[in-house]
Amino acid sequence: EAGVAQSPRYKIIEKRQSVAFWCNPISGHATLYWYQQILGQGPKLLIQFQNNGVVDDSQLPKDRFSAERLKGVDSTLKIQPAKLEDSAVYLCASTPQGNTEAFFGQGTRLTVV
Amino acid sequence: DAKTTQPNSMESNEEEPVHLPCNHSTISGTDYIHWYRQLPSQGPEYVIHGLTSNVNNRMASLAIAEDRKSSTLILHRATLRDAAVYYCILRNDYKLSFGAGTTVTVRA
Repeated sequence: EAGVAQSPRYKIIEKRQSVAFWCNPISGHATLYWYQQILGQGPKLLIQFQNNGVVDDSQLPKDRFSAERLKGVDSTLKIQPAKLEDSAVYLCASTPQGNTEAFFGQGTRLTVV
Repeated sequence: DAKTTQPNSMESNEEEPVHLPCNHSTISGTDYIHWYRQLPSQGPEYVIHGLTSNVNNRMASLAIAEDRKSSTLILHRATLRDAAVYYCILRNDYKLSFGAGTTVTVRA
């Protein structure tokens, strides 16, 4: 079974530029998560989708971050404009229905200079 | 969200068992106890989960206290490949929130 795909793997941008990350979850998985992981910390949930609806985006900095999930499948996370403190690994995960295991992608490492 | 408490770090020798504790005194009756681990430069990886009964799989065992306020992840024979950050998470209504985890170091 194919895993969760994320791209790009690495991205370096200057502050105030914009950036977008893409996630393709495992086929048939209804729930999709985006996390931000700063070096040395645990992953922090940014947004959670159930099919193509948002379930929880309470920790998403909505003045600069946005996310969408097209047709309940692929998802994109965008940052505009980026700040130095946005430097982190951005992880995408998906799960089927129920409180079962989550599958994570390799993540996108963003460096803002 | 119900919180979990884990030690910051633990050390083990190769081939010895590792017992990772997790306290979750505010757990609700419908919270599942999940464990994930994260190897360096990789995304988190599912290890095991349970609700009330102890669970075993090819990676580890999960021992859950009778009152469910604590649990222990058991790696039966640690190898160098088990060196990672281990996260104990309470999962309910599809929520999956991580704490700081326990960094496990395995000595050869």
